[in-house]
Amino acid sequence: AQSVTQLDSHVSVSEGTPVLLRCNYSSSYSPSLFWYVQHPNKGLQLLLKYTSAATLVKGINGFEAEFKKSETSFHLTKPSAHMSDAAEYFCVVSDTGGSQGNLIFGKGTKLSVKP
Amino acid sequence: DSGVTQTPKHLITATGQRVTLRCSPRSGDLSVYWYQQSLDQGLQFLIQYYNGEERAKGNILERFSAQQFPDLHSELNLSSLELGDSALYFCASSAPPGRSYGYTFGSGTRLTVV
Repeated sequence: AQSVTQLDSHVSVSEGTPVLLRCNYSSSYSPSLFWYVQHPNKGLQLLLKYTSAATLVKGINGFEAEFKKSETSFHLTKPSAHMSDAAEYFCVVSDTGGSQGNLIFGKGTKLSVKP
Repeated sequence: DSGVTQTPKHLITATGQRVTLRCSPRSGDLSVYWYQQSLDQGLQFLIQYYNGEERAKGNILERFSAQQFPDLHSELNLSSLELGDSALYFCASSAPPGRSYGYTFGSGTRLTVV
């Protein structure tokens, strides 16, 4: 069965410093992995997705993630945090590895950005 | 606007009642997924429809049901509501295989059961 584990429930950074949100996955297939962001009282927005192309995936708003098969990780990074990045971030795996599978969500990491 | 439309945005109802949540998928998408987001359970998959047929079931209670209509919009019916059903309900859609890949989420329906 597919699953994702987000290693931190809460991460706090200062504005202008790097962001690292950690995610490990478990998948029987070549996985399709995603990061979604949810701002307070808002819906879910796709940040980026990995679908077995390049292992370094660039997303919106300066975020990127690297797929590391040997470590079963898909950590999300950003070089410099902005106040508007404060939100909850979800690491997600598709349960069939394709475009028609169900999405399995991690428990989320809440990112706080201090001025 | 993501292209996935959910109505209503907010719903307050009493225990024991029945409500219907509606979702219109992004144009061209054939699959519709329903998810429940609650504080204690996180985001959980409920059910998937593909072109009108049920494709997969997740942690959906027997009091809940869904359907997808010929125009591809979907409805999630919640009955005999309990306080614990209070949650944010998301709908997502995805493109057919071979088309542009991705899942698009609506902005959700916040259900409050009092």
